[in-house]
Amino acid sequence: KAGVTQTPRYLIKTRGQQVTLSCSPISGHRSVSWYQQTPGQGLQFLFEYFSETQRNKGNFPGRFSGRQFSNSRSEMNVSTLELGDSALYLCASRLNPGAQGNTIYFGEGSWLTVV
Amino acid sequence: EDKVVQSPLSLVVHEGDTVTLNCSYEVTNFRSLLWYKQEKKAPTFLFMLTSSGIEKKSGRLSSILDKKELFSILNITATQTGDSAIYLCAGKDGGATNKLIFGTGTLLAVQP
Repeated sequence: KAGVTQTPRYLIKTRGQQVTLSCSPISGHRSVSWYQQTPGQGLQFLFEYFSETQRNKGNFPGRFSGRQFSNSRSEMNVSTLELGDSALYLCASRLNPGAQGNTIYFGEGSWLTVV
Repeated sequence: EDKVVQSPLSLVVHEGDTVTLNCSYEVTNFRSLLWYKQEKKAPTFLFMLTSSGIEKKSGRLSSILDKKELFSILNITATQTGDSAIYLCAGKDGGATNKLIFGTGTLLAVQP
């Protein structure tokens, strides 16, 4: 079955613009998480969605937002882009947040460069 | 605040060497520790460790958890160039959030 799919894979934006990234989880998975990965900070948790509701949120400013649709697909949006937002944005899916032993599967990421 | 610290940040070895990667954690309601390998794209799952002292093994890779000292190690024996990657460690919060807290990773480069 298909893995976690993220689009677009690469994009370049200018400061001040906004961007929307999309993630389709593995079929049957209802939980979607988003992470930002940069060389200096590693993988940092942005937020997690389950059943169209945000369950958890990391320590990111309000410019970072997300949502989940009824088919479990998720989008994240970053408004008023800053140079420091340049990163690999990874989406991960799992069956649901509650079960123990629940493996999380990552997509290939969206590389965002802000110039 | 929850945190996961990995060491070393990077290392370079030659094929055939054995390496040990370290991961220490402070995670509220700690449930389990996970290791991932990240090459050019998506991190891929390696191990999940829940019980202290029980080694998990997959080929040349093995890992063990020490819940008393709050750390885990990942061993790779007889390294190959294909082992070159970033190795990520994550602690899983077993509370209501059930979220993963990642370390910054260890960049391993294996030279022929």
